[in-house]
Amino acid sequence: AQKITQTQPGMFVQEKEAVTLDCTYDTSDQSYGLFWYKQPSSGEMIFLIYQGSYDEQNATEGRYSLNFQKARKSANLVISASQLGDSAMYFCAMREGPSFGANSKLTFGKGITLSVRP
Amino acid sequence: DVKVTQSSRYLVKRTGEKVFLECVQDMDHENMFWYRQDPGLGLRLIYFSYDVKMKEKGDIPEGYSVSREKKERFSLILESASTNQTSMYLCASRTVNTGELFFGEGSRLTVL
Repeated sequence: AQKITQTQPGMFVQEKEAVTLDCTYDTSDQSYGLFWYKQPSSGEMIFLIYQGSYDEQNATEGRYSLNFQKARKSANLVISASQLGDSAMYFCAMREGPSFGANSKLTFGKGITLSVRP
Repeated sequence: DVKVTQSSRYLVKRTGEKVFLECVQDMDHENMFWYRQDPGLGLRLIYFSYDVKMKEKGDIPEGYSVSREKKERFSLILESASTNQTSMYLCASRTVNTGELFFGEGSRLTVL
């Protein structure tokens, strides 16, 4: 079974509107972390936001927020007030095990392409 | 600023050639990773290293090997390149105290 599932096809959003990118995950660990990365056409991977499994509040970073629903095992990324520069591929990733783990690794989903229309 | 540097942005090699992809980080990170990225498949982990001279197989290690002789440098080796290894290769590093990965700019390898 896939550990990270991103099933949306290419997403489109109008500039200045909000958009939600879906991510579901599968783990039996109690301690884990969820990440979102952005990859613009230039290719670099840009870290956006992090949510720990024990964090009670949803993570927020500027226009990015993570809608964390633990019981449903979902960690959707919400981008508010979309900008043209938000057009990119977005990856959800999971670290299983506690953060202070030397051997932990990140497993990535297949990504979602977001296009922002002017 | 955090910096992960991959030696080559673009490479073209022939089938059967030995290929070295080099990655250097200047953040004194313990862990380093090699991923490959293919359309529709996302990022898949090839190998990772949690300390000097230590290495562990990721999800798709076949056809690859790695070397980590110094903390800052992690090399990916294709002993005999094949066309199905044409891909984008991404190096990343992290400190053990956080989960966040810092990525290099990627190396796009074409094997003819």
